[in-house]
Amino acid sequence: AQRVTQPEKLLSVFKGAPVELKCNYSYSGSPELFWYVQYSRQRLQLLLRHISRESIKGFTADLNKGETSFHLKKPFAQEEDSAMYYCALSGGNAGNNRKLIWGLGTSLAVNP
Amino acid sequence: EAQVTQNPRYLITVTGKKLTVTCSQNMNHEYMSWYRQDPGLGLRQIYYSMNVEVTDKGDVPEGYKVSRKEKRNFPLILESPSPNQTSLYFCASSLSGGALSDTQYFGPGTRLTVL
Repeated sequence: AQRVTQPEKLLSVFKGAPVELKCNYSYSGSPELFWYVQYSRQRLQLLLRHISRESIKGFTADLNKGETSFHLKKPFAQEEDSAMYYCALSGGNAGNNRKLIWGLGTSLAVNP
Repeated sequence: EAQVTQNPRYLITVTGKKLTVTCSQNMNHEYMSWYRQDPGLGLRQIYYSMNVEVTDKGDVPEGYKVSRKEKRNFPLILESPSPNQTSLYFCASSLSGGALSDTQYFGPGTRLTVL
C-alpha cells in the first residue's frame, strides 16, 4: 500500500539548533517525494522536491531508497521556520493521476 | 499574479442544502484536484481532472461532484451536504500530465461546516 508516515506530530527546538523532520514512505515503484510547508495563515506551498536536489531556506532532504525515507533537515533552525510541514509522495499511475499521498504533518515550533 | 483561488473561504450551511465551492487558476494548468483535510486523516483526494471534460474519482468521492467545462475552473459540488462533510477543502493545480514531479499549487482553503 502507498503510505507516507511522519512519526512526529509536534517537534519543538530552540533557535540555532539542528532540526530533522522525519518522513518514511511505502511505495512499490519509484516515487517522487516532496516537502510542503504551511506557515500560519498561509496556503500550502512546495518547499522542495527530491528530484531537484536543491536547498530551500536552508532545508535539504535526501531520498534514501534503502530506508525508504525522505527526512527534512536544517542545521540551524530559525524562528520563521515555525510552521506545519507535510511530506508527500507522488506515485500515481504514470501518465495518469498525479495525486499526492500525504503524511499527517509535523508541526515545527522554533523557540527563541 | 499566478495563483489558485477558492470561494467562499468560509461557509456554514445546513444538511441537504446544495452548495458549490469554486476553484479557479490562472496558470493555464491542465491538472486540477480537490482535497479535504481532516484531523488525524491528513489530506485526502476527492476528485481530480486531467484536462477539460476529463474528471475522475480520487480516494473519497462519495457525496461530491465536480465539473471541468473550462480549463481554469474546477468547481466542487455538494448536492446534499451532510455533517460528515464538515472539513477544510483545498483545490490544487499543476501544469500538465507530464512528469510526476510537477509542482502542485494550492488554493487558500475553504472551511465548510454542515449543521
